[in-house]
Amino acid sequence: AQSVTQLDSQVPVFEEAPVELRCNYSSSVSVYLFWYVQYPNQGLQLLLKYLSGSTLVKGINGFEAEFNKSQTSFHLRKPSVHISDTAEYFCALIRMDSSYKLIFGSGTRLLVRP
Amino acid sequence: ETGVTQSPTHLIKTRGQQVTLRCSSQSGHNTVSWYQQALGQGPQFIFQYYREEENGRGNFPPRFSGLQFPNYSSELNVNALELDDSALYLCASGAGTYEQYFGPGTRLTVT
Repeated sequence: AQSVTQLDSQVPVFEEAPVELRCNYSSSVSVYLFWYVQYPNQGLQLLLKYLSGSTLVKGINGFEAEFNKSQTSFHLRKPSVHISDTAEYFCALIRMDSSYKLIFGSGTRLLVRP
Repeated sequence: ETGVTQSPTHLIKTRGQQVTLRCSSQSGHNTVSWYQQALGQGPQFIFQYYREEENGRGNFPPRFSGLQFPNYSSELNVNALELDDSALYLCASGAGTYEQYFGPGTRLTVT
């Protein structure tokens, strides 16, 4: 079975500070990895994805993530956050052999303070 | 190009009733998936439809059912509503690949 673990339920950070949101996954087969963001009362928006190739992937809004196969991690980073980055962030995976079912972590709430 | 839309935005139902939620897929997409997001949790996969056939199902009972229409719109039906069915229901469409684009969701409250 596959699973996604987001260890931090909430991450408070001051505006313009760097941030890292942690994601670890477990899977017996190869997977694709994703980060989604959910603003209050909205659906999910894709931030970035890892399919293959370079382990450092860049997404929208200045976010990037690094795939680490040995540590089965896919941490999300941003060098300088803005108030508008306050939202819920979800890490997710899809199995390469049955790419229809997204499996999500429980989410991390990023709270950016002035 | 229009995005994924869902209706209604909010809905209140009584335990034991039935509900139908609707989704209009993004133009050019031929798969639609439904997810349930309980408060404070990540979305859980309910099922996916591809070319009007169910293409995969998560751990949800048969009282959760769906339909996909030729114009790629979709419905999620839930019978015999239970209090635990209260959640945000998300629809996502895709073009047969791993990428899924989400709608804004329908907030269902069961009392």
